[in-house]
Parts: sequence; structure tokens; C-alpha cells
Amino acid sequence: AQSVSQHNHHVILSEAASLELGCNYSYGGTVNLFWYVQYPGQHLQLLLKYFSGDPLVKGIKGFEAEFIKSKFSFNLRKPSVQWSDTAEYFCAVSDSWGKLQFGAGTQVVVTP
Amino acid sequence: SAVISQKPSRDICQRGTSLTIQCQVDSQVTMMFWYRQQPGQSLTLIATANQGSEATYESGFVIDKFPISRPNLTFSTLTVSNMSPEDSSIYLCSVGNPEKLFFGSGTQLSVL
Repeated sequence: AQSVSQHNHHVILSEAASLELGCNYSYGGTVNLFWYVQYPGQHLQLLLKYFSGDPLVKGIKGFEAEFIKSKFSFNLRKPSVQWSDTAEYFCAVSDSWGKLQFGAGTQVVVTP
Repeated sequence: SAVISQKPSRDICQRGTSLTIQCQVDSQVTMMFWYRQQPGQSLTLIATANQGSEATYESGFVIDKFPISRPNLTFSTLTVSNMSPEDSSIYLCSVGNPEKLFFGSGTQLSVL
């Protein structure tokens, strides 16, 4: 069975600070990895995804994530956050059918 | 791409009643997934619905509580039975393959 662990439940940082959210997964097969974002009062949006190839994945809004197979990790980064990045971030892994297993989520608050 | 129509978008229900949520897709899909997002929590997979067979439920979810129908390749329903306030959540359907996953807009359920 697949599982996803997100390291931080809450992160508070100032605008222009760098952000890194940790995500570790366990899954026996080929992994498909995702980061989703949920802004207050809104539905999930896909930030980025990794299936194969370059382990450094670029997503929307300046986010990127690095897949490190040896560490079973898929950490999300953004060099300089903005107030509008305040949201909840979910790491997820899917099996070959598209069944998603989500992490518990990290609430990110960016202060002006 | 797939367009998913999910109904109702929200409902307020009385304890002990049942609500059926519909998910209509504009193309044929093999598998459909039903998720729940309880307030302040991550998304949890309830079950996987295949056309022509019984749904496969995740640990902690049972057919008596969440019966699912999948009469054809474009439609599925999830019923939340004998509701209690703990069932207050957003319920989402999802379709697609790992490379492209689509979510319905969700059903916001409040149980009084």
C-alpha cells in the first residue's frame, strides 16, 4: 500500500523568504508524485507532477519539486514566497490507475 | 481533458437521512474515485468505482455507509447513508489516469 508523509503541519514565514516543504512516500511500484495547493475557500489545484525523466520538476507560480528516489522524497520549494502563497499544500502519490493517496497537508501562512 | 459535473454542489441534511451525490463525466472512463475531505483535513480516498463490478472500498469505509453505483462508463453515484454530523465534509469524484487527473467541483455536505 502506498503512503505519504508530510513533515510539517504548519509553516509560518515572511514574504520573500524561501519555502521548502518535505514529503516522503512509500510505494512498491512505479510512483507518480504530485503537489496540490488549496487556497482558502477554494478547490484543489495541481501545482506540479512527476512521472519520469528530469527529477527536478517545474510547476506553476514559481514552484518546483525534486524527486530523490534514494530518499523516497519529493520536496516542494519556492525561492521567494508571496503573501498570496498562503494556502494548504498536499503531497500525493498515485498508483498506475490514478488512485491518489494524499499526505496530511501543510498549512503555509505567509506574513506581509 | 475531461469535464466532470458533480451534483449537488452543496446540501444541508438532517441526521439519519441519506444523500446521493452524482458525478457525470463527458467522456468514458474506466475508473472513478470518490474522496472525502473533512474540515481542516486532507483528502481521503473512500472507494474506487469500476463499471460493471462492485466498488472497492478503502480501509475504514464500508458499502453499507457509502454505497456506490457505476451503471456506465460516464456516470457514478455515491450515497452517504444514515448521516451524522461527522459526515459533514466535501465529497469529490475524480477520473483520469496518473498523467492527467481531473476532479469534480465537490459537494459540500453539512449534517445537522
